Amino acid sequence: RKEVEQDPGPFNVPEGATVAFNCTYSNSASQSFFWYRQDCRKEPKLLMSVYSSGNEDGRFTAQLNRASQYISLLIRDSKLSDSATYLCVVNRDTNAGKSTFGDGTTLTVKP
Amino acid sequence: ETGVTQSPTHLIKTRGQQVTLRCSSQSGHNTVSWYQQALGQGPQFIFQYYREEENGRGNFPPRFSGLQFPNYSSELNVNALELDDSALYLCASSRDSGRHEQYFGPGTRLTVT
Repeated sequence: RKEVEQDPGPFNVPEGATVAFNCTYSNSASQSFFWYRQDCRKEPKLLMSVYSSGNEDGRFTAQLNRASQYISLLIRDSKLSDSATYLCVVNRDTNAGKSTFGDGTTLTVKP
Repeated sequence: ETGVTQSPTHLIKTRGQQVTLRCSSQSGHNTVSWYQQALGQGPQFIFQYYREEENGRGNFPPRFSGLQFPNYSSELNVNALELDDSALYLCASSRDSGRHEQYFGPGTRLTVT
């Protein structure tokens, strides 16, 4: 079993749709959590950190459930430019590197 | 742009050869992490360097080695290349310990034939 698991998709949604991605992690001692976005053949870029209290950044909302070892990302009002692979990332400690990545969920937003 | 640079962009090597990949960290960052990303998978942590010392290693064999220099740039060396080493190699720089973000370079795409 992988340490971080994501539904690979693909998710194909129309513009304006709301879409949610889920991620589970197996190490209960994990300390910090992130969502990254990766465009085709490009490097991953930090989308947002995930806090226990949940956090929102514009159309994006991230939630963390430590008891269930579950992370989610909600995208509202999808745009064409949201098409990408979304990577769930877990760190065992507070160090910024040494991250464990999921294999990503691919989102395609269609006109 | 993140300010993290990597060279070369692409590289083709033959099985059994050795390769050195380079990474320049963002200004003010003293930590570099290296990752291997195979097609269709997420990046896998290889190792991290902090102030010129290895500071954690993932599940990679000893033929994967690295260095960090006083200016915090870093090298990844892979000996005895295997076909499965074909991947995108990413480096990420960050400030020292704490909940700081890591910033990725554009990667080096290595093909082993």
